Amino acid sequence: GESVGLHLPTLSVQEGDNSIINCAYSNSASDYFIWYKQESGKGPQFIIDIRSNMDKRQGQRVTVLLNKTVKHLSLQIAATQPGDSAVYFCAENRGAGGFKTIFGAGTRLFVKA
Amino acid sequence: SAVISQKPSRDICQRGTSLTIQCQVDSQVTMMFWYRQQPGQSLTLIATANQGSEATYESGFVIDKFPISRPNLTFSTLTVSNMSPEDSSIYLCSVSGQGRSEAFFGQGTRLTVV
Repeated sequence: GESVGLHLPTLSVQEGDNSIINCAYSNSASDYFIWYKQESGKGPQFIIDIRSNMDKRQGQRVTVLLNKTVKHLSLQIAATQPGDSAVYFCAENRGAGGFKTIFGAGTRLFVKA
Repeated sequence: SAVISQKPSRDICQRGTSLTIQCQVDSQVTMMFWYRQQPGQSLTLIATANQGSEATYESGFVIDKFPISRPNLTFSTLTVSNMSPEDSSIYLCSVSGQGRSEAFFGQGTRLTVV
């Protein structure tokens, strides 16, 4: 399928290096902050989330950092692999019960072999 | 998790016509969401579709342009009405994770208006 994110900011990293993708958010009242990965021709796929009362959460090869003071969210990917090449979106969970997801800007990650 | 199927996966339509996109979920869900993703952009929420009530539209989106149906807890449709080339986008259906932050998405419908 066609690619999405052709005009998005891009990050190019060497295979095996660590990647850091950043995002600024606007709503301090959000309950959750989430990172999604979108591959070409597919819908976004959940990677990891963090509650608003936390500042760090680790998953498998990924770490999300939340800085509420400056409204900044980051996703760190350790030992980046070619399969990590995709567009990454930050998102916030809003609305009653936290069900409504609002997406922020995306970053296109290229992994060079 | 939830498995979401969208139809059609892509279409090319003439301006002035309408297209209805279908979204089927493999489990019963309270809320379904419709997003638009314009070329090279992030996802923008169009509306929230609740079963048994009218959809709730986000700022900048109106029911006359994007009518939504939600006849039961596993199905919804989004119609893009009176299309113009500016409506060329990917339209995605989504459901929430029932109390979790995670949302699940269909593969999207790629619409091209000529």
